[in-house]
Amino acid sequence: QLQLQESGPGLVKTSETLSLTCTASGGSITSSTYYWGWIRQPPGKGLEWIGSIYWSGSTYYTPSLKSRVTISLDTSKNQFSLKLTSVTAVDTAVYYCAGPDFYGMGVWGQGTTVTVSS
Amino acid sequence: QSALTQPPSASGSPGQSVTISCTGTSSDVGGYNYVSWYQQHPGKAPKLMIYEVSQRPSGVPDRFSGSKSGNTASLTVSGLQAEDEADYYCSSYGGNNNIIFGGGTKLTVL
Repeated sequence: QLQLQESGPGLVKTSETLSLTCTASGGSITSSTYYWGWIRQPPGKGLEWIGSIYWSGSTYYTPSLKSRVTISLDTSKNQFSLKLTSVTAVDTAVYYCAGPDFYGMGVWGQGTTVTVSS
Repeated sequence: QSALTQPPSASGSPGQSVTISCTGTSSDVGGYNYVSWYQQHPGKAPKLMIYEVSQRPSGVPDRFSGSKSGNTASLTVSGLQAEDEADYYCSSYGGNNNIIFGGGTKLTVL
């Protein structure tokens, strides 16, 4: 069945760019009607939707992060990625990738912890 | 857009029922039938329990049910079991291709 796995640096310096990748297995990220999303959870806090990308490449971002976020697909590797620029300590969180539905995400990665520090 | 409002905590004894609320506005919860509920155990990824207000994914026990009235959605867990102790988050479509989460509710099984 469909599985997702996040990967990327666990430590990012303040003001630099956070880059994470989510690799899908057991299904294609270009399957029609599929959406792929990124959600984060700061330590001890709740979930925050960052954004999603449709199988065709259309992207949707939460307004508060829109100016700093880019989500993209790499169909050759069956992956989708997150880039968050100009990070600060408030971006420290567990980052999850999820899919394949926009409104109710039934498949989640295990999460990856990203710490922002100078 | 503001986060959806959930009570910080809820509790019940084994076998009892407990209901967790999720309050939004007419621009999110009240405006669309796209409310989902997620269960999260400590250190684990969230798990989808309810989607489209009241639909259960395959494998989710029918002890979990969802409903909505106006701007408030609810998750009811019947026949509480020890393994139901977890954090629960609601989410809703907020219009303009936006998803909003609630602040989360810690469910304790007494």
